[in-house]
Amino acid sequence: NAGVTQTPKFRVLKTGQSMTLLCAQDMNHEYMYWYRQDPGMGLRLIHYSVGEGTTAKGEVPDGYNVSRLKKQNFLLGLESAAPSQTSVYFCASSPSGRGANEQYFGPGTRLTVT
Amino acid sequence: KQEVTQIPAALSVPEGENLVLNCSFTDSAIYNLQWFRQDPGKGLTSLLLIQSSQREQTSGRLNASLDKSSGRSTLYIAASQPGDSATYLCAVMKTSYDKVIFGPGTSLSVIP
Repeated sequence: NAGVTQTPKFRVLKTGQSMTLLCAQDMNHEYMYWYRQDPGMGLRLIHYSVGEGTTAKGEVPDGYNVSRLKKQNFLLGLESAAPSQTSVYFCASSPSGRGANEQYFGPGTRLTVT
Repeated sequence: KQEVTQIPAALSVPEGENLVLNCSFTDSAIYNLQWFRQDPGKGLTSLLLIQSSQREQTSGRLNASLDKSSGRSTLYIAASQPGDSATYLCAVMKTSYDKVIFGPGTSLSVIP
């Protein structure tokens, strides 16, 4: 199993450009999440999905959109990138949202917006 | 609002020492707490998960404890090794996974 994979690993955007980050998991997990990690602030939840075709907002959703058309994929889109979106983005998945189930993380995407 | 803090922000110890990392949270109504390890430029790896009904969990040289009433968790690492050098994060989970709150992490360096 590859676990959770993210594409791309690095990206540099100019202000106003758009892009999509792809997350894929091969563990048949129901829940998937997008986080951003900034220095000194820990990870913050952007959006999450509790199953195919569903999405919901997390703590910091503004400026991002997501889609979960297939159970194994969770896409994060930036329609008009801003320098404040420079961050490391992590995708995670879990079997369900309750109980002792652990979250499994991808390796991250480092995004710089100039 | 739940806030999670980790002290110290950075820690450097000689190889072989036993050490304790701290995690504090303001709202004791948690579902469980998870400790992660993050290596530079990498994703997070789950180390231990403690459910709210448990007091501690152990895995090898790692032992995590949970005291909900005082809003504290500790991660104990025995006989530290240079390979333990990484950032350690705790994450507090409320009733569902959309309410996971992460601490800022403690950066650990184990000196050979």
